[in-house]
Amino acid sequence: DAGVTQSPTHLIKTRGQQVTLRCSPKSGHDTVSWYQQALGQGPQFIFQYYEEEERQRGNFPDRFSGHQFPNYSSELNVNALLLGDSALYLCASSLEWGTTEAFFGQGTRLTVV
Amino acid sequence: GESVGLHLPTLSVQEGDNSIINCAYSNSASDYFIWYKQESGKGPQFIIDIRSNMDKRQGQRVTVLLNKTVKHLSLQIAATQPGDSAVYFCAENSHSGGGADGLTFGKGTHLIIQP
Repeated sequence: DAGVTQSPTHLIKTRGQQVTLRCSPKSGHDTVSWYQQALGQGPQFIFQYYEEEERQRGNFPDRFSGHQFPNYSSELNVNALLLGDSALYLCASSLEWGTTEAFFGQGTRLTVV
Repeated sequence: GESVGLHLPTLSVQEGDNSIINCAYSNSASDYFIWYKQESGKGPQFIIDIRSNMDKRQGQRVTVLLNKTVKHLSLQIAATQPGDSAVYFCAENSHSGGGADGLTFGKGTHLIIQP
């Protein structure tokens, strides 16, 4: 059983560009959350998707947007990239909205130059 | 503001000893607390969680203690092994809207196991 998979694993973008990160949740999971983890810090909650809708959002600007597909996979889009967006982006999935045990993917390391 | 924080950034212990990692939280509405282990280059791995109506929960070689009076959470790892070397995060979760909210993580404690 595959766990949470994210792609790509590493990415380098230029300031001002746009990026799309992808996540496939653990089999059977229907809730996907995205987190940003700066070097040496704990993950910061970006937003959560359930039933193809954004259910909750953290303190991130509108440049960060997302989408969930009918198969529960999800995308994170970041527009107008800033140098400060360089981080590890983590996707977490859970069995159903309301459970606590979230399984994380390996993350996508985004470097903005 | 509401936050979850850790007391020590780095903890060094001898192999075979017990480790205790501490965490303080300030959100009294938190109803779940979770410990994650993150190894270099990997995503956080779930270790154990505890509900706010519990004081203690045990897993395999790990025990989580919750003291709601002083808003303190700890993770005890028995007989630490080299594979326990990692960064440990505590995270809190609340259900303000009925479902699980996004997790709030602390900064992490780097556990170093010395041979």
